[in-house]
Amino acid sequence: AQSVTQLDSQVPVFEEAPVELRCNYSSSVSVYLFWYVQYPNQGLQLLLKYLSGSTLVKGINGFEAEFNKSQTSFHLRKPSVHISDTAEYFCAVSDQSTSYDKVIFGPGTSLSVIP
Amino acid sequence: AAGVIQSPRHLIKEKRETATLKCYPIPRHDTVYWYQQGPGQDPQFLISFYEKMQSDKGSIPDRFSAQQFSDYHSELNMSSLELGDSALYFCASSLGRIAYEQYFGPGTRLTVT
Repeated sequence: AQSVTQLDSQVPVFEEAPVELRCNYSSSVSVYLFWYVQYPNQGLQLLLKYLSGSTLVKGINGFEAEFNKSQTSFHLRKPSVHISDTAEYFCAVSDQSTSYDKVIFGPGTSLSVIP
Repeated sequence: AAGVIQSPRHLIKEKRETATLKCYPIPRHDTVYWYQQGPGQDPQFLISFYEKMQSDKGSIPDRFSAQQFSDYHSELNMSSLELGDSALYFCASSLGRIAYEQYFGPGTRLTVT
């Protein structure tokens, strides 16, 4: 069964510093991977997704993620964060076992950008 | 561009009451997904519909039911509400059961008192 682990529940980082939010997944079949962002009191917004092809995926707001099949990871990175990046970030997976018909979310990582 | 619409945005109910949440998918999208996000929790998949038929079922309580109508909008009916049902309920839509291309609505915040 597919599952997602986000090792860091909270990540504080100073403004303009780089950040990496970690995500590991569990699946024995082909996967699609996603990062969603949720700003306070708002809905989920897709940051980026990996379906196939290049393992380095670029998303909105300067974020990127790298798919590493051997390590079953899909870590999210940004070289320089802004105050406006303060939000909850969810890693998610969809795999072939459900015909990609379902998306399973991780527990989320709360990113706090400190001025 | 048109997005997923959910109504109401906020709802306050008492224990044992019923609630109905509505979701209007992006035009031409034929698949609707419902998620429940408790306080400080990740979104949990409840149920999905494709072409007005139930497509998949997750951790949806028996007290909840849902359906998709001929215009593809969907309603989530919740009965005998419990305090633990207080959560943010998201609807998402996609075209052709492609969950990795789903777009989320802003959510309905349900508070049960």
